[in-house]
Amino acid sequence: DAGITQSPRYKITETGRQVTLMCHQTWSHSYMFWYRQDLGHGLRLIYYSAAADITDKGEVPDGYVVSRSKTENFPLTLESATRSQTSVYFCASSEIPGEQYFGPGTRLTVT
Amino acid sequence: AQTVTQSQPEMSVQEAETVTLSCTYDTSESDYYLFWYKQPPSRQMILVIRQEAYKQQNATENRFSVNFQKAAKSFSLKISDSQLGDAAMYFCAYGLLRAGGTSYGKLTFGQGTILTVHP
Repeated sequence: DAGITQSPRYKITETGRQVTLMCHQTWSHSYMFWYRQDLGHGLRLIYYSAAADITDKGEVPDGYVVSRSKTENFPLTLESATRSQTSVYFCASSEIPGEQYFGPGTRLTVT
Repeated sequence: AQTVTQSQPEMSVQEAETVTLSCTYDTSESDYYLFWYKQPPSRQMILVIRQEAYKQQNATENRFSVNFQKAAKSFSLKISDSQLGDAAMYFCAYGLLRAGGTSYGKLTFGQGTILTVHP
């Protein structure tokens, strides 16, 4: 199906475990983004990518790793999950500046 | 750094009435764009309206319109003839229009305003 998808939609993990959130888009958009959404903070940018193999840090990158070997995929890895990383994570893509298309989100709980 | 502030954590409106959501931003740039995104209970983020800073005319999309005051760095969203389906969290966002540089394509979001629509 065309669009942007995220998996899993819900994830519960334990402190210290590695977790990877997947993001896939079918539009071949150049830009992709990872945000986290927390009450009172709106959406905060974790990492973004301007093209395959080009990534850069956003506002809150600590504890996260990204890669982008293919244009359509942009996985986000929590190397050692902490309770403060409990959040809703959104992936987005865009070609036209600012008109970002968002995935459905992943609710991650770290116990 | 650019900041976006939404000073109204919650707003409510009666069905068929009009409501205005406020947003202010801080930037030293001259070429940028502003957005309103809607997030209904489904969590899906939906682009509502877009405004380029160089355009003097306020953007409109059906029942949604903006009041863009560049000098005051204000960007409010007006929803006319409110419908139950308008109930959502609304986010104001800012992005640079100028190509190149590390900020190109990125958006800065406000904290959001929860809109309740009463029947």
